[in-house]
Amino acid sequence: EVQLLESGGGLVQPGGSLRLSCEASGFTFSSYAMSWVRQASGKGLEWVSAISGSGSNTYYADSVKGRFTISRDNSKNTLFLQMNSLRAEDTALYYCTKSRRDSSGWTQLSTDAFDIWGQGTMVTVTS
Amino acid sequence: EVVVTQSPATLSVSPGERATLSCRASQSVSTNLAWYQQKPGQALRLLIYTASTRATGIPARFSGSGSGTEFTLTISSLQSEDFAVYYCQQYNNWPLTFGGGTKVEIK
Repeated sequence: EVQLLESGGGLVQPGGSLRLSCEASGFTFSSYAMSWVRQASGKGLEWVSAISGSGSNTYYADSVKGRFTISRDNSKNTLFLQMNSLRAEDTALYYCTKSRRDSSGWTQLSTDAFDIWGQGTMVTVTS
Repeated sequence: EVVVTQSPATLSVSPGERATLSCRASQSVSTNLAWYQQKPGQALRLLIYTASTRATGIPARFSGSGSGTEFTLTISSLQSEDFAVYYCQQYNNWPLTFGGGTKVEIK
């Protein structure tokens, strides 16, 4: 069964840091681009960042550029999101998502729909 | 950035009736549009991709149509398990963007 399991969320003060993890199983992790998507309580979905299967290409939403870093360890089937300089507006449930298409051999990080979502990990930024 | 707008925000429908949800993009996204279903306590589920292709395991009562800037998700005969929030997402351009959602509730 294809699964994504997020962890690492918690309570942090403004200006602090957190590192989210997403453990993948049930598919060839390195063959798929991955993304983080967040959702503030009672609000809609906001794409945060994406990374190619090899890890060599990344994209970020303007709202997190320069503060967040996406990475992956394909040997451990794990996706990460390092979040620095956190703000109150970063408070949200953070979902790990898998891109639908196998991008093995692709040199670019292509846009795609998300066919698998995790249950999310909650990040709360408050003083 | 492509702005994606969904309407209506809330749709009240009786079980067995048809539901029609709309999604509009601020510029053409070709057919690079997906629909998702969100239910409390469950992982989001991909329903439709490339505007009209049902994802694996999605019942035939869900159908998508449209291209360019105007898209529609139709649920032909609402079942109890279909009452949920639905989001559309464009994936034609970075940054990827979602609509604000349509809540389908029991009338």
